[in-house]
Amino acid sequence: AQRVTQPEKLLSVFKGAPVELKCNYSYSGSPELFWYVQYSRQRLQLLLRHISRESIKGFTADLNKGETSFHLKKPFAQEEDSAMYYCALTRNYKLTFGKGTLLTVNP
Amino acid sequence: DAGVIQSPRHEVTEMGQEVTLRCKPISGHNSLFWYRQTMMRGLELLIYFNNNVPIDDSGMPEDRFSAKMPNASFSTLKIQPSEPRDSAVYFCASSLAGDVTGELFFGEGSRLTVL
Repeated sequence: AQRVTQPEKLLSVFKGAPVELKCNYSYSGSPELFWYVQYSRQRLQLLLRHISRESIKGFTADLNKGETSFHLKKPFAQEEDSAMYYCALTRNYKLTFGKGTLLTVNP
Repeated sequence: DAGVIQSPRHEVTEMGQEVTLRCKPISGHNSLFWYRQTMMRGLELLIYFNNNVPIDDSGMPEDRFSAKMPNASFSTLKIQPSEPRDSAVYFCASSLAGDVTGELFFGEGSRLTVL
């Protein structure tokens, strides 16, 4: 069975500080991993996917198969990054989410 | 496109009443998902439709929950009878099956409170 674990429910940093949101997964095959974000009063939306190896809004995430991790990182957090972040894993159609981490970036 | 449209946005009802949540997916999308979000359990997949056919309903908590998709542009999630533990935010999402990006497009959610 596929499972996604986000160990931190809450994460608080100051503006300009580095931020890392942790995500670990368990999956027997080759995973496809995503980060979704939900800003206040907005819809849940895709932030980035590992297959694209892209950087969105300064965020990056590297898939580490050895550690079964897909941590989301940003070197300098901004106040507008404050949101709920969900790590997700998909197999075929089924997208399984972690429980989410609420990131607060303080001024 | 206005995106995935859900109604009602908020629903407050009493235990035992029937609740019907509605969803209009993005035009052209042929996959539709219903998720439930709670503080304790996060986002849980309830049911998945492909081309209007239910493919996986293993996440539906019990017989009180049912979902239909009579056509490509409309789906309902019904709870009968409702119970306080059903209080949650229910999200509908759609996608294009076969899209290798795996991106789901979510509605704004329906917040249900059962008293």
